[in-house]
Amino acid sequence: QKEVEQNSGPLSVPEGAIASLNCTYSDRGSQSFFWYRQYSGKSPELIMSIYSNGDKEDGRFTAQLNKASQYVSLLIRDSQPSDSATYLCAGDRDGDYKLSFGAGTTVTVRA
Amino acid sequence: ETGVTQTPRHLVMGMTNKKSLKCEQHLGHNAMYWYKQSAKKPLELMFVYSLEERVENNSVPSRFSPECPNSSHLFLHLHTLQPEDSALYLCASSQETGQGIKFPYNEQFFGPGTRLTVL
Repeated sequence: QKEVEQNSGPLSVPEGAIASLNCTYSDRGSQSFFWYRQYSGKSPELIMSIYSNGDKEDGRFTAQLNKASQYVSLLIRDSQPSDSATYLCAGDRDGDYKLSFGAGTTVTVRA
Repeated sequence: ETGVTQTPRHLVMGMTNKKSLKCEQHLGHNAMYWYKQSAKKPLELMFVYSLEERVENNSVPSRFSPECPNSSHLFLHLHTLQPEDSALYLCASSQETGQGIKFPYNEQFFGPGTRLTVL
């Protein structure tokens, strides 16, 4: 069983729309969750971290965590062509510092 | 330099060659990681060093040999690789409290990666 699973995509949204990315995890002991953005040919870049149930907002990005449902999501509001990338969801392993990553969801924002 | 750096950025090697990948972090972190990223696959954790001690080796073949001489530097020594080892190799670092204390803020920061091609 995969520890972290993401909706496989690809996801195509028009410019200005909301992109919604979902992630589920199997380890009930996981405490910290992260969203990374990876442009083609580049390395992952950390864009959001979330540890508590609820929403966390940072600019156009909102991360949502529901530990009871073992579900993490990322919303990108007012999507821009520069948001076109692969988004990786990651969670720690039983609160440890090692991370498990999902396979990623590729987002394309159409101008 | 800032952040996490990796050299070389691109490497082409034959199956009989020996080469090394280098990673250096300038963030004052005490944990460093090697990941492998193959096309269409999740990031695979290969090795973890915490406080300069190897704490995890995820069943990685012995043709990959890590070295962590201090908390800022990490190497991956490569020898007799196979074509299926071609991938993007990523180094990351984070701050870990150690002593078995679970620290929920393991924000890992990645270097630019080394694109490895094995012929």
